[in-house]
Amino acid sequence: DTGVSQDPRHKITKRGQNVTFRCDPISEHNRLYWYRQTLGQGPEFLTYFQNEAQLEKSRLLSDRFSAERPKGSFSTLEIQRTEQGDSAMYLCASSFGPATGNTIYFGEGSWLTVV
Amino acid sequence: AQSVTQLGSHVSVSEGALVLLRCNYSSSVPPYLFWYVQYPNQGLQLLLKYTSAATLVKGINGFEAEFKKSETSFHLTKPSAHMSDAAEYFCAVTRTGGGADGLTFGKGTHLIIQP
Repeated sequence: DTGVSQDPRHKITKRGQNVTFRCDPISEHNRLYWYRQTLGQGPEFLTYFQNEAQLEKSRLLSDRFSAERPKGSFSTLEIQRTEQGDSAMYLCASSFGPATGNTIYFGEGSWLTVV
Repeated sequence: AQSVTQLGSHVSVSEGALVLLRCNYSSSVPPYLFWYVQYPNQGLQLLLKYTSAATLVKGINGFEAEFKKSETSFHLTKPSAHMSDAAEYFCAVTRTGGGADGLTFGKGTHLIIQP
């Protein structure tokens, strides 16, 4: 059983450019989560999906951020017009059901550096 | 809203000594609590979780944690530290209410093992 896969692992981009991250969850996991982690901090919740439906978005997810999970399998997180403050690790996670009864498995993360 | 507080951003112990990492939670409902470990430039790996079945929870790599409702605590311990335990440790609680899901993390504790 493969784990949660994220691509790319590292991305350096110039301020103002758009970037997209992809996440492939563990197969048959219907819940998929995105988190952001900055240096020295714990992961912060951004959004989550149940199948293809985006059920919750954090206020951290500004209008420049958009997440999709079109077929209920893989997901993408796009950041438009990147800013230096977007530099962080973006973590994807998945679970078979809600966190109250299931284990959430995390990917290796995608590091973003905005220069 | 549910939250966790980790006391001590850095903890240093000698190899072979007891490891104690502190976590206190705040929750308006019975909580589900977790400890994750993160090695440099990697994602998060679940160490153990409390789901109300037993107050003393055993996890991987010799770690365990005890849920104490009266103290609203869920401290992580290991009897004898190994050099390989050096990592960042995060306590987390489930997000609940109003359709919320996923986890809220503490800021993390960096565990340093002295030879």
